[in-house]
Amino acid sequence: AQSVSQHNHHVILSEAASLELGCNYSYGGTVNLFWYVQYPGQHLQLLLKYFSGDPLVKGIKGFEAEFIKSKFSFNLRKPSVQWSDTAEYFCAVNDLSRDDKIIFGKGTRLHILP
Amino acid sequence: KAGVTQTPRYLIKTRGQQVTLSCSPISGHRSVSWYQQTPGQGLQFLFEYFSETQRNKGNFPGRFSGRQFSNSRSEMNVSTLELGDSALYLCASSQILLAGGYNEQFFGPGTRLTVL
Repeated sequence: AQSVSQHNHHVILSEAASLELGCNYSYGGTVNLFWYVQYPGQHLQLLLKYFSGDPLVKGIKGFEAEFIKSKFSFNLRKPSVQWSDTAEYFCAVNDLSRDDKIIFGKGTRLHILP
Repeated sequence: KAGVTQTPRYLIKTRGQQVTLSCSPISGHRSVSWYQQTPGQGLQFLFEYFSETQRNKGNFPGRFSGRQFSNSRSEMNVSTLELGDSALYLCASSQILLAGGYNEQFFGPGTRLTVL
């Protein structure tokens, strides 16, 4: 079955630092890819998504992600983080080649120091 | 548009009891998915319903079941509760893409279930 790995479970950064959160899935084929964010006390919400086309996708709040098919990766980036980016981030893969399920990673807790 | 709503928001049950959680999706969304969220395990997929039919199922025991009504509202039921069932249960609604797969999922606030 498809699986999703988020390598960093807990990341601590200072404001203005650059961010990259890793996400890898276990095997290829046709996939839709998502990053979701859960701010403290709030619902999960979509940051960005990739279906096809330009592998560099831009989302809300200055986030972007790059799909690298050969590496089965969809890493999330932000050039300069803010204290308000403190949240938990989840990568999700919708595998269209197999069972069409959406599989989430275990999440990365990001803590930004003011 | 109103968001996804889940009731109740909090539940405390004892081992062996059963529980029913409810989810109302965004109007027009026919796909409803359920997830179990626990610290360290992230979101684990329970099942997904589309047009009153279970389309996909995760790797949970048969004690976990669900259904969807003609108005797309969904319920999930957990029978014979165990301590390990304590978790946040999230419901998400989505539109299905014509090309296959899911569009963005919209999540509800969750039901916090505590099993004593």
